[in-house]
Amino acid sequence: AQSVSQHNHHVILSEAASLELGCNYSYGGTVNLFWYVQYPGQHLQLLLKYFSGDPLVKGIKGFEAEFIKSKFSFNLRKPSVQWSDTAEYFCAVSRNSGNTPLVFGKGTRLSVIA
Amino acid sequence: DSGVTQTPKHLITATGQRVTLRCSPRSGDLSVYWYQQSLDQGLQFLIQYYNGEERAKGNILERFSAQQFPDLHSELNLSSLELGDSALYFCASSGTLGRETYGYTFGSGTRLTVV
Repeated sequence: AQSVSQHNHHVILSEAASLELGCNYSYGGTVNLFWYVQYPGQHLQLLLKYFSGDPLVKGIKGFEAEFIKSKFSFNLRKPSVQWSDTAEYFCAVSRNSGNTPLVFGKGTRLSVIA
Repeated sequence: DSGVTQTPKHLITATGQRVTLRCSPRSGDLSVYWYQQSLDQGLQFLIQYYNGEERAKGNILERFSAQQFPDLHSELNLSSLELGDSALYFCASSGTLGRETYGYTFGSGTRLTVV
């Protein structure tokens, strides 16, 4: 079964610091990759997604992610975080064969301090 | 508002009881997914329905069941509740079968507390 690993459980950064959250998946076939964000008390929202093409994907709110197939990774980055980025971030993977549910990592809690 | 509606938002019930969680998908979406979110397990996929039929099953306990009705809303039934069932239950929906892997839209969740 495929699995998703998010290396950091909790990350604390100061405002304007750069962010990189790690995500690795175990499935060897073609995959679709996602990052979701969950702000406190809210539902999960899609940040960005990768299906094919350019491995560097740009999402909302200045986030981007890079798919490195050889490393089975899809790390999330942001050059300069803001206090409003405080949230839980989830990486998710689905097999690119249609009708397969998203498998989520356990999430990384990001706390941005002023 | 994501377009996916879940009710109730909060539910407190006693052990051994049975509850029903409801989800209305985004307009036009045929697939509904149920996930359980707990602190130690993260987001666990429970079950998926597509246009009224069960399509995939994940880590769903036998005490739990779900269905999707002709109007596409879905219900998740949890019975013989245990303390460990306390969690946030999310519903998500997505479009037609060929686009299901293109990301889901999540509802705000139902927080279940079993006491």
